[in-house]
Amino acid sequence: DSGVTQTPKHLITATGQRVTLRCSPRSGDLSVYWYQQSLDQGLQFLIQYYNGEERAKGNILERFSAQQFPDLHSELNLSSLELGDSALYFCASSADTGFYSPLHFGNGTRLTVT
Amino acid sequence: AQTVTQSQPEMSVQEAETVTLSCTYDTSESDYYLFWYKQPPSRQMILVIRQEAYKQQNATENRFSVNFQKAAKSFSLKISDSQLGDAAMYFCAYRSPISSGSARQLTFGSGTQLTVLP
Repeated sequence: DSGVTQTPKHLITATGQRVTLRCSPRSGDLSVYWYQQSLDQGLQFLIQYYNGEERAKGNILERFSAQQFPDLHSELNLSSLELGDSALYFCASSADTGFYSPLHFGNGTRLTVT
Repeated sequence: AQTVTQSQPEMSVQEAETVTLSCTYDTSESDYYLFWYKQPPSRQMILVIRQEAYKQQNATENRFSVNFQKAAKSFSLKISDSQLGDAAMYFCAYRSPISSGSARQLTFGSGTQLTVLP
């Protein structure tokens, strides 16, 4: 158990809809990273938050947004969903302090857009 | 920006044999971290092994070891005595150190699907 909790585990929705994915980081970890993994694809970095502030941005679409709250949990909002947004979305957390801080991955949220 | 390349989309190995998965990367940084992650059918991301670039000694974790060639920017994973449970997608990943001041997300390769034959 990595200590990172992602909810829901599965999500099925229709095109054009909006969904929110939630991530609770490991206790003490200040950074949250979001990744998208499409079927048979590698992991694409979307966005990172550190202690409530956006730290880095990757290949995140304008239809997607994220935030990190004062209690450090994070939400990834996906809107105007398209079939191609169907993927496994991972959240990872890290303390990001000290010389080396590993990333701990949650079990992912599987999003299916129909 | 850093890039990670895995040129073997699929590999297979006989149970109890040894297999090596290849990974190359491109970076202008002198210090960094390299990782191998395993993703079984459950889709969990499991850290297999990590290597700090400043360490010359290759990392080893039980049956898993790496061959880190910094000058060649190569980072291969060797799995000895392969077991059925080793069947998974394996991802090579790169991460900048905190001291770099740059973004520290993991950059992943495209993965190698490993099949273990009984």
